[in-house]
Amino acid sequence: SAVISQKPSRDICQRGTSLTIQCQVDSQVTMMFWYRQQPGQSLTLIATANQGSEATYESGFVIDKFPISRPNLTFSTLTVSNMSPEDSSIYLCSVGMGGNLPAYGYTFGSGTRLTVV
Amino acid sequence: AQRVTQPEKLLSVFKGAPVELKCNYSYSGSPELFWYVQYSRQRLQLLLRHISRESIKGFTADLNKGETSFHLKKPFAQEEDSAMYYCALLMDTGRRALTFGSGTRLQVQP
Repeated sequence: SAVISQKPSRDICQRGTSLTIQCQVDSQVTMMFWYRQQPGQSLTLIATANQGSEATYESGFVIDKFPISRPNLTFSTLTVSNMSPEDSSIYLCSVGMGGNLPAYGYTFGSGTRLTVV
Repeated sequence: AQRVTQPEKLLSVFKGAPVELKCNYSYSGSPELFWYVQYSRQRLQLLLRHISRESIKGFTADLNKGETSFHLKKPFAQEEDSAMYYCALLMDTGRRALTFGSGTRLQVQP
């Protein structure tokens, strides 16, 4: 399965600032997703990162707040903009192949633990 | 809209006892169901998926379309099974991302 390097692993940020999270994959993948996991809660999909076009956002998430880039099939970034304490969460990158999933399904990064103060 | 429900936030059992983690789903199509596990300080990883019909680490799960359930079972729990378990659904059309349940923390006591 693909190996994901997600950076940074954690950060403490001041409110009103922005943080960019990177997701680097060791092989080309067709599907890349960004999730948020708020304290004590499950994973919520933020958006699907589309290579060469704008990301597809889920209800409740907007591009101005969570701009996403995906310049190629191995790399994506998620920016959390104008942060507030409510943005304190773990942010996860997930990748996979389109069509029929291989046996290993989707792979997840180790996550970025963000604390906004 | 699709939904995955895991009714138990915490399940505590003794070593050697049977384990059943419950998962129910709602979706009008033909979903694929997964169980993911997250051990302490490790990343989320796939435990099993219903189409493979495999037993991983002694765990099994059967998709019951009539009851819209995909419960995870193990006949004899081990301490190393202590982890967070997430049930997830993949739709057969449209968005190709997983929809997760809220998770169940399994604690296996010695």
